[in-house]
Amino acid sequence: SQTIHQWPATLVQPVGSPLSLECTVEGTSNPNLYWYRQAAGRGLQLLFYSVGIGQISSEVPQNLSASRPQDRQFILSSKKLLLSDSGFYLCAWSQYGSLNTEAFFGQGTRLTVV
Amino acid sequence: QQQVKQSPQSLIVQKGGISIINCAYENTAFDYFPWYQQFPGKGPALLIAIRPDVSEKKEGRFTISFNKSAKQFSLHIMDSQPGDSATYFCAATYWGSYGKLTFGQGTILTVHP
Repeated sequence: SQTIHQWPATLVQPVGSPLSLECTVEGTSNPNLYWYRQAAGRGLQLLFYSVGIGQISSEVPQNLSASRPQDRQFILSSKKLLLSDSGFYLCAWSQYGSLNTEAFFGQGTRLTVV
Repeated sequence: QQQVKQSPQSLIVQKGGISIINCAYENTAFDYFPWYQQFPGKGPALLIAIRPDVSEKKEGRFTISFNKSAKQFSLHIMDSQPGDSATYFCAATYWGSYGKLTFGQGTILTVHP
Protein backbone atom coordinates (compact mmCIF):
# COMPACT_ATOMS: atom_id res chain seq x y z
CA SER A 1 0.00 0.00 0.00
CA GLN A 2 1.02 3.57 -0.53
CA THR A 3 2.12 5.81 2.31
CA ILE A 4 3.24 9.40 2.51
CA HIS A 5 5.64 10.73 5.10
CA GLN A 6 6.05 14.37 5.94
CA TRP A 7 8.36 15.91 8.52
CA PRO A 8 8.80 17.61 10.83
CA ALA A 9 5.34 17.73 12.38
CA THR A 10 5.94 21.10 14.01
CA LEU A 11 8.54 23.76 13.48
CA VAL A 12 9.22 27.16 15.05
CA GLN A 13 11.64 29.28 13.08
CA PRO A 14 12.82 32.89 13.45
CA VAL A 15 12.17 35.43 10.73
CA GLY A 16 14.97 35.39 8.18
CA SER A 17 15.99 31.79 8.80
CA PRO A 18 15.97 29.10 6.08
CA LEU A 19 13.36 26.40 5.74
CA SER A 20 13.38 22.84 4.47
CA LEU A 21 10.35 20.57 4.69
CA GLU A 22 10.59 17.08 3.27
CA CYS A 23 8.00 14.68 1.95
CA THR A 24 8.42 11.15 0.66
CA VAL A 25 5.96 8.70 -0.85
CA GLU A 26 6.26 4.92 -0.68
CA GLY A 27 4.55 2.17 -2.59
CA THR A 28 4.08 3.91 -5.91
CA SER A 29 6.15 5.23 -8.76
CA ASN A 30 6.03 8.43 -10.78
CA PRO A 31 3.40 10.09 -8.58
CA ASN A 32 2.18 13.63 -9.01
CA LEU A 33 3.33 15.56 -5.93
CA TYR A 34 1.90 18.70 -4.37
CA TRP A 35 2.55 21.23 -1.63
CA TYR A 36 -0.51 22.95 -0.16
CA ARG A 37 -0.71 25.58 2.56
CA GLN A 38 -3.59 25.97 4.94
CA ALA A 39 -3.92 29.25 6.78
CA ALA A 40 -5.78 29.22 10.09
CA GLY A 41 -9.51 28.72 9.55
CA ARG A 42 -9.19 28.72 5.79
CA GLY A 43 -9.09 26.33 2.90
CA LEU A 44 -6.11 24.75 1.24
CA GLN A 45 -4.12 26.68 -1.31
CA LEU A 46 -1.95 24.89 -3.84
CA LEU A 47 1.61 26.18 -3.78
CA PHE A 48 3.55 23.82 -6.06
CA TYR A 49 3.02 20.66 -8.01
CA SER A 50 5.36 18.29 -9.79
CA VAL A 51 4.72 15.67 -12.44
CA GLY A 52 8.27 14.34 -12.54
CA ILE A 53 11.83 14.64 -11.27
CA GLY A 54 13.04 18.20 -11.60
CA GLN A 55 9.67 19.40 -12.94
CA ILE A 56 8.17 22.01 -10.64
CA SER A 57 5.24 24.32 -11.31
CA SER A 58 4.41 27.21 -9.02
CA GLU A 59 0.82 28.26 -8.53
CA VAL A 60 1.30 31.46 -6.54
CA PRO A 61 4.18 33.94 -6.29
CA GLN A 62 5.78 33.71 -2.89
CA ASN A 63 8.86 33.42 -0.75
CA LEU A 64 9.01 29.65 -1.12
CA SER A 65 10.46 27.20 -3.62
CA ALA A 66 10.13 23.48 -4.22
CA SER A 67 12.37 20.77 -5.57
CA ARG A 68 11.99 17.14 -6.55
CA PRO A 69 15.42 15.53 -6.47
CA GLN A 70 14.07 11.97 -6.62
CA ASP A 71 10.91 10.38 -8.00
CA ARG A 72 9.17 10.11 -4.63
CA GLN A 73 10.75 12.98 -2.75
CA PHE A 74 9.41 16.51 -2.63
CA ILE A 75 11.04 19.36 -0.73
CA LEU A 76 9.68 22.77 0.20
CA SER A 77 12.30 25.44 0.92
CA SER A 78 12.85 29.05 1.72
CA LYS A 79 16.06 31.03 1.97
CA LYS A 80 14.62 33.60 4.38
CA LEU A 81 11.33 33.06 6.18
CA LEU A 82 8.76 35.82 6.61
CA LEU A 83 6.12 36.08 9.32
CA SER A 84 3.50 35.54 6.63
CA ASP A 85 4.98 32.11 5.87
CA SER A 86 3.42 30.73 9.07
CA GLY A 87 0.80 28.08 8.41
CA PHE A 88 0.03 24.42 8.06
CA TYR A 89 1.90 22.87 5.13
CA LEU A 90 0.61 19.72 3.54
CA CYS A 91 2.28 17.43 1.07
CA ALA A 92 0.08 15.28 -1.13
CA TRP A 93 0.35 12.80 -3.97
CA SER A 94 -1.86 11.42 -6.69
CA GLN A 95 -1.36 8.60 -9.11
CA TYR A 96 0.04 9.69 -12.44
CA GLY A 97 -2.47 8.99 -15.18
CA SER A 98 -5.19 7.94 -12.75
CA LEU A 99 -8.73 8.61 -13.88
CA ASN A 100 -9.91 9.39 -10.39
CA THR A 101 -7.21 12.00 -9.71
CA GLU A 102 -7.84 11.79 -5.97
CA ALA A 103 -5.06 13.17 -3.82
CA PHE A 104 -3.74 11.68 -0.60
CA PHE A 105 -2.31 13.95 2.05
CA GLY A 106 0.44 13.69 4.60
CA GLN A 107 -0.04 14.65 8.22
CA GLY A 108 1.20 18.17 7.72
CA THR A 109 3.83 20.47 9.21
CA ARG A 110 2.76 23.28 11.51
CA LEU A 111 5.21 26.13 10.81
CA THR A 112 5.34 29.13 13.11
CA VAL A 113 7.63 31.96 12.13
CA VAL A 114 8.51 34.19 15.10
CA GLN B 1 -13.87 30.79 -12.48
CA GLN B 2 -11.61 28.45 -10.60
CA GLN B 3 -13.34 29.04 -7.26
CA VAL B 4 -15.35 26.56 -5.28
CA LYS B 5 -17.68 28.21 -2.80
CA GLN B 6 -18.61 26.27 0.32
CA SER B 7 -21.24 26.92 2.94
CA PRO B 8 -21.87 27.12 5.82
CA GLN B 9 -18.56 28.03 7.47
CA SER B 10 -19.65 26.26 10.64
CA LEU B 11 -22.42 23.87 11.53
CA ILE B 12 -23.73 22.54 14.83
CA VAL B 13 -25.86 19.43 14.79
CA GLN B 14 -27.30 17.22 17.49
CA LYS B 15 -26.33 13.57 17.59
CA GLY B 16 -28.53 11.59 15.22
CA GLY B 17 -29.32 14.60 13.08
CA ILE B 18 -28.51 15.27 9.44
CA SER B 19 -25.55 17.48 8.53
CA ILE B 20 -25.67 19.19 5.13
CA ILE B 21 -22.78 21.06 3.53
CA ASN B 22 -23.14 22.78 0.18
CA CYS B 23 -20.66 23.69 -2.55
CA ALA B 24 -20.96 25.54 -5.84
CA TYR B 25 -18.54 25.89 -8.72
CA GLU B 26 -18.30 27.85 -11.95
CA ASN B 27 -15.71 26.03 -14.03
CA THR B 28 -17.63 23.56 -16.20
CA ALA B 29 -14.37 21.74 -16.94
CA PHE B 30 -14.40 20.26 -13.44
CA ASP B 31 -15.19 16.56 -13.69
CA TYR B 32 -14.27 15.11 -10.32
CA PHE B 33 -15.54 16.30 -6.96
CA PRO B 34 -14.01 14.80 -3.80
CA TRP B 35 -14.87 15.58 -0.20
CA TYR B 36 -12.20 15.56 2.47
CA GLN B 37 -12.49 15.22 6.24
CA GLN B 38 -9.86 16.83 8.44
CA PHE B 39 -9.36 16.42 12.18
CA PRO B 40 -7.38 19.04 14.12
CA GLY B 41 -3.65 18.83 13.49
CA LYS B 42 -4.03 16.17 10.81
CA GLY B 43 -3.96 16.12 7.04
CA PRO B 44 -7.25 15.89 5.12
CA ALA B 45 -8.47 12.39 4.34
CA LEU B 46 -10.55 11.51 1.31
CA LEU B 47 -14.11 10.78 2.41
CA ILE B 48 -16.17 10.28 -0.74
CA ALA B 49 -16.07 11.52 -4.33
CA ILE B 50 -18.41 11.85 -7.29
CA ARG B 51 -18.31 12.44 -11.03
CA PRO B 52 -20.94 14.60 -12.79
CA ASP B 53 -22.39 11.66 -14.70
CA VAL B 54 -24.27 10.54 -11.57
CA SER B 55 -26.63 12.59 -9.40
CA GLU B 56 -25.99 10.81 -6.13
CA LYS B 57 -23.42 8.60 -4.47
CA LYS B 58 -23.82 6.98 -1.09
CA GLU B 59 -21.22 5.37 1.13
CA GLY B 60 -22.52 4.37 4.53
CA ARG B 61 -23.86 7.45 6.30
CA PHE B 62 -22.30 9.81 3.76
CA THR B 63 -24.08 10.86 0.57
CA ILE B 64 -23.07 13.27 -2.16
CA SER B 65 -25.85 14.89 -4.17
CA PHE B 66 -24.83 16.46 -7.48
CA ASN B 67 -26.77 18.95 -9.60
CA LYS B 68 -24.86 19.45 -12.84
CA SER B 69 -27.18 22.08 -14.31
CA ALA B 70 -26.96 24.20 -11.17
CA LYS B 71 -23.23 23.50 -10.76
CA GLN B 72 -23.80 22.56 -7.14
CA PHE B 73 -23.06 19.57 -5.00
CA SER B 74 -23.61 18.77 -1.37
CA LEU B 75 -22.55 16.36 1.35
CA HIS B 76 -25.16 14.82 3.60
CA ILE B 77 -24.14 13.07 6.79
CA MET B 78 -26.99 10.97 8.11
CA ASP B 79 -27.27 10.01 11.78
CA SER B 80 -24.45 12.41 12.65
CA GLN B 81 -22.17 11.26 15.48
CA PRO B 82 -19.81 13.17 17.80
CA GLY B 83 -16.94 11.39 16.05
CA ASP B 84 -17.95 13.14 12.83
CA SER B 85 -16.93 16.47 14.38
CA ALA B 86 -14.24 17.73 12.02
CA THR B 87 -13.63 20.19 9.21
CA TYR B 88 -15.03 19.16 5.85
CA PHE B 89 -13.73 20.42 2.52
CA CYS B 90 -15.28 20.05 -0.88
CA ALA B 91 -12.91 20.15 -3.81
CA ALA B 92 -12.91 19.96 -7.59
CA THR B 93 -10.50 19.01 -10.30
CA TYR B 94 -10.54 17.97 -13.94
CA TRP B 95 -8.80 15.51 -16.18
CA GLY B 96 -5.68 17.09 -17.60
CA SER B 97 -5.04 19.34 -14.62
CA TYR B 98 -2.47 16.95 -13.13
CA GLY B 99 -4.71 16.30 -10.17
CA LYS B 100 -4.58 19.86 -8.89
CA LEU B 101 -7.44 20.40 -6.47
CA THR B 102 -9.43 23.57 -5.96
CA PHE B 103 -10.80 23.56 -2.44
CA GLY B 104 -13.76 25.20 -0.80
CA GLN B 105 -13.12 27.19 2.36
CA GLY B 106 -14.16 24.39 4.67
CA THR B 107 -16.99 23.75 7.12
CA ILE B 108 -16.36 23.15 10.80
CA LEU B 109 -18.88 20.55 11.91
CA THR B 110 -19.66 20.06 15.58
CA VAL B 111 -21.96 17.22 16.59
CA HIS B 112 -23.27 17.51 20.14
CA PRO B 113 -23.91 14.31 22.10
